[in-house]
Amino acid sequence: DAGVTQSPTHLIKTRGQQVTLRCSPKSGHDTVSWYQQALGQGPQFIFQYYEEEERQRGNFPDRFSGHQFPNYSSELNVNALLLGDSALYLCASSFTGTGNTIYFGEGSWLTVV
Amino acid sequence: KQEVTQIPAALSVPEGENLVLNCSFTDSAIYNLQWFRQDPGKGLTSLLLIQSSQREQTSGRLNASLDKSSGRSTLYIAASQPGDSATYLCAGNQGAQKLVFGQGTRLTINP
Repeated sequence: DAGVTQSPTHLIKTRGQQVTLRCSPKSGHDTVSWYQQALGQGPQFIFQYYEEEERQRGNFPDRFSGHQFPNYSSELNVNALLLGDSALYLCASSFTGTGNTIYFGEGSWLTVV
Repeated sequence: KQEVTQIPAALSVPEGENLVLNCSFTDSAIYNLQWFRQDPGKGLTSLLLIQSSQREQTSGRLNASLDKSSGRSTLYIAASQPGDSATYLCAGNQGAQKLVFGQGTRLTINP
């Protein structure tokens, strides 16, 4: 049973460019969340998708957007990249419902130069 | 607004010692609390999940407790090993699977 998988693993972008990160949830999971983790910090919640809709959103600007597909996989898009967007982007999946364990992928390292 | 704090930020102990990592949260209205392990440059591995109705959970050498009234959780690691070296993160579930994380405790076990 594959866990949460993310791609790409690492990427380098230039300021002002756009990036798309991808996530496949653990088998059977229907809820996908995205987190940003700066170096030395704990992950920060970006947003969550369920039934192809954004259900919750953290304190991130509209440059951060996402999508969930019918097979529950998800994309995170960041437009107009800033140097401060350099971070590890983590995808998490779970069954909907508050009491369930949340599983994370290995993350995508984004460096903005 | 929920805030999660982990103390200490870093801890170094000799192999074989038992140790406790601390996590405190400001809003007791959490649904559950989850402990994670993160190796350098890697994602998060779930260690233990404690539901709000529970007081503790155990997995092997790990034991996590939760005291909602005091806003505290602890992760106890018995007979520590060099392979336990990693950053340990706690996160409170605010509902609908949204996690609020502490900044982590970087643990080093010295052989």
